Amino acid sequence: DAGVIQSPRHEVTEMGQEVTLRCKPISGHDYLFWYRQTMMRGLELLIYFNNNVPIDDSGMPEDRFSAKMPNASFSTLKIQPSEPRDSAVYFCASTSSLSRTDTQYFGPGTRLTVL
Amino acid sequence: GEDVEQSLFLSVREGDSSVINCTYTDSSSTYLYWYKQEPGAGLQLLTYIFSNMDMKQDQRLTVLLNKKDKHLSLRIADTQTGDSAIYFCAERSGNQGGKLIFGQGTELSVKP
Repeated sequence: DAGVIQSPRHEVTEMGQEVTLRCKPISGHDYLFWYRQTMMRGLELLIYFNNNVPIDDSGMPEDRFSAKMPNASFSTLKIQPSEPRDSAVYFCASTSSLSRTDTQYFGPGTRLTVL
Repeated sequence: GEDVEQSLFLSVREGDSSVINCTYTDSSSTYLYWYKQEPGAGLQLLTYIFSNMDMKQDQRLTVLLNKKDKHLSLRIADTQTGDSAIYFCAERSGNQGGKLIFGQGTELSVKP
């Protein structure tokens, strides 16, 4: 299996622009998680889905952030408008409810820089 | 609420043992995990331990679990420069299937 795939790997944009991050979970996994990692706040869970349905979005910073999962193999995290404080590494992870251990598998991340 | 705490930094000499510590709050946790993050990469599962175990050994790695004190540790024997990374402790959230609660991560620096 290719593992969790994220795109783009790096994104540089200007303040006010819309940013869309993409994730393809491991085939067969029914949980998908979006995390943000910064030096100041560490690793934060933003939102997670089960069977394409958002279960907990309490970590989403504000209304500028939105996430969708239109099907089992694709999810997006959108920031509109972006701000310099959104600069971070965004990770997507997936797991299966059939997993005995609930191990999450992480993608390589998208490094976002907002100028 | 659920919380996982780790110290932020650890520095050791190559060849020494490293011990990374973690405390957690959810007594109903069934699994506890150690993830490793190398520079510029995502988190990768290193090992896990089931809550009814006290110890798990896997080559150079030893995980110790003290359920009474809600304390988890990761010992790396004969630490190498390639072990330099950030190590995250995590617990499975008892009531929220699939969700893990991560600590802040411990940055391990191995000096030659």
